[in-house]
Amino acid sequence: EVQLVESGGGLVKPGGSLRLSCAASGFTFINYSMNWVRQAPGKGLEWVSSISGTSTYIYYADSVKGRFTISRDTAKNSVYLQMNSLRAEDTAVYYCAREDYYGSGTFDYWGQGTLVTVSS
Amino acid sequence: QSVLTQPPSVSEAPRQRVTISCSGSSSNIGNNAVNWYQQLPGKAPKLLIYSDDLLPSGVSDRFSGSKSGTSASLAISGLQSEDEADYYCAARDDSLKGPVFGGGTRLTVL
Repeated sequence: EVQLVESGGGLVKPGGSLRLSCAASGFTFINYSMNWVRQAPGKGLEWVSSISGTSTYIYYADSVKGRFTISRDTAKNSVYLQMNSLRAEDTAVYYCAREDYYGSGTFDYWGQGTLVTVSS
Repeated sequence: QSVLTQPPSVSEAPRQRVTISCSGSSSNIGNNAVNWYQQLPGKAPKLLIYSDDLLPSGVSDRFSGSKSGTSASLAISGLQSEDEADYYCAARDDSLKGPVFGGGTRLTVL
């Protein structure tokens, strides 16, 4: 059974940093691109970042480029999101999502999410 | 302002059929597959329809998807109270590196 479990969310002051983790299980981790998608309170979904299976291809939404860094550790079956220079508008639930085997942009499994609150 | 446009809400009675529209452009829906996600209250999104009209294993065949040009639709037949959720369309956009989402449609089963 595919499982994605996020952790690392919390309350942080504007300008601060936070590192999110996503532990994956139930599939061959290196074969899949992984993504982060966020959802601000009461709002819709926004794609944040993606990383290919071997970390060759990494992409970011313009809204986080230069501030967030995605990475993965195959030995730990985990993907991470380092978030720096956080702003109030980064407040959201952050979901880890697996992209399908074909890398089509289809997110076939999602974690339960972790809440990040940026506030003074 | 979302790249893909969905109605904010729809409502229909139990056992009836409802459709949710998703409008885009030639750089996203017009040139790429559309996916639909269902988000039950307080839960994570779940893949509902992929590649325009395909159902993942375990998804009820009461759900169906279609696409024409730069628009797509999600249809739900035989509405049940458990279908009350937010529904999001999504598609790759040729000018971006990640998928774009619609603003979401809240379905109320009356």
